[in-house]
Parts: sequence; structure tokens; C-alpha cells
Amino acid sequence: AQSVTQLDSHVSVSEGTPVLLRCNYSSSYSPSLFWYVQHPNKGLQLLLKYTSAATLVKGINGFEAEFKKSETSFHLTKPSAHMSDAAEYFCVVSVRAGNNRKLIWGLGTSLAVNP
Amino acid sequence: DAGITQSPRHKVTETGTPVTLRCHQTENHRYMYWYRQDPGHGLRLIHYSYGVKDTDKGEVSDGYSVSRSKTEDFLLTLESATSSQTSVYFCAISESTGATSSGGYTFGSGTRLTVV
Repeated sequence: AQSVTQLDSHVSVSEGTPVLLRCNYSSSYSPSLFWYVQHPNKGLQLLLKYTSAATLVKGINGFEAEFKKSETSFHLTKPSAHMSDAAEYFCVVSVRAGNNRKLIWGLGTSLAVNP
Repeated sequence: DAGITQSPRHKVTETGTPVTLRCHQTENHRYMYWYRQDPGHGLRLIHYSYGVKDTDKGEVSDGYSVSRSKTEDFLLTLESATSSQTSVYFCAISESTGATSSGGYTFGSGTRLTVV
């Protein structure tokens, strides 16, 4: 079965320290993977995506993620957290569904950034 | 979000009444989606459309219907609203989801629906 697991429902970091949000996936095929961010009472914004090119993907706002096929992981990182990074983060895998594709969503990780 | 708007942004309705949410895009994207977002469940797909008059069910389609008579509009209707349909509803668009494509989605700002 195809699935996405975000290993932490809540992560708390101090401003200026590194951020690590963990995501593991299960897919029968080579997947496309995404990270979305949702700020409070806002819609969802695409942070970055992996589509079988470079395994290290750079996104907006200084975030990046590394696709590791051997570990079936796509963890999101940022070297130095900013207060504005406080939000909900979703790991998403795009898988084949007949002639189309569908998205499978993780349940989200809430990131808190402390001053 | 640029190119996609949802209306209304907020709505309170009574149990048993029909409700229609509208999603409008100006990107001319082929694919449109309706999701609901609930605590502990993440985003769940209700219905999607891959073209005018072409729609299909998602994982939580019971109690919902959709229509797409024009490329730019995708309507979600709750035939008879129930309290379990209190949620935040998001519309999304994508240019393509063919077997070899993998583009991301663009989301609307959401509609907060409360059924009392």
C-alpha cells in the first residue's frame, strides 16, 4: 500500500537553530514527493518538490529536502529557523492511479519556533 | 492565492440544508480538486475533475456532489448538510497529472464551513 508517514506531529525549535521535519513514504513506483506549508488560517503553499532529478531539492524560504531511496525518506531541513517558519508542514507523495496521479498526504507536522 | 479563488470564505448553515461552495480559476488548468481538512486527518480528497463534465470520486465523497460545466469553475455541493461536514474545504488546481507528470498543486485560501 502507498502511504506517507510524518514521524513527528509536533516539533519545537529555538530561533536560529536547525529544523528537521521527518517524512517516510511507501510507494511501489518511483514517486514524486512534495512538501507543503500552511500558515495559520491560510491555504497551502508548495515549498519544494522532488521529481526524479537531483536528490537534494532546494525550495523557498531556505528549506531543502533530500530524497533517499534506500531509506524511503524525504526529510525537510533548514539550517536556521526563523519565527515566520512557525506553521504546519505536510509531506505528500504523488503516485500513479490508472492514467492519472493522486496525492497521498501525511498528517502534518506542527513546527513551533521559540524566541 | 493568485489564479484561484474560493467562495464563500466562511459559511454557517443549518443541518439538512443544501450548500454549494465555488472554486474559480483563471489559470486554464485542466485538473481541479476538492479537499476537506480536519484535525487528525490531514487533507482528504472529496472529488476531482479532469476536464469539463469529467469528474470522479475521492476517498470521502459520500454526501457530496460536484459539477464542472466550465473549465474555470468547480462547484462542490453538500446535498443535505450534516454536522460531520463541518470542516475547512480547499480547492486545488493542477496543470497536469498524467502518468509521467508530477506537478505540484495550487491551493485556494479555503472555505470554513460550520453546520449547526
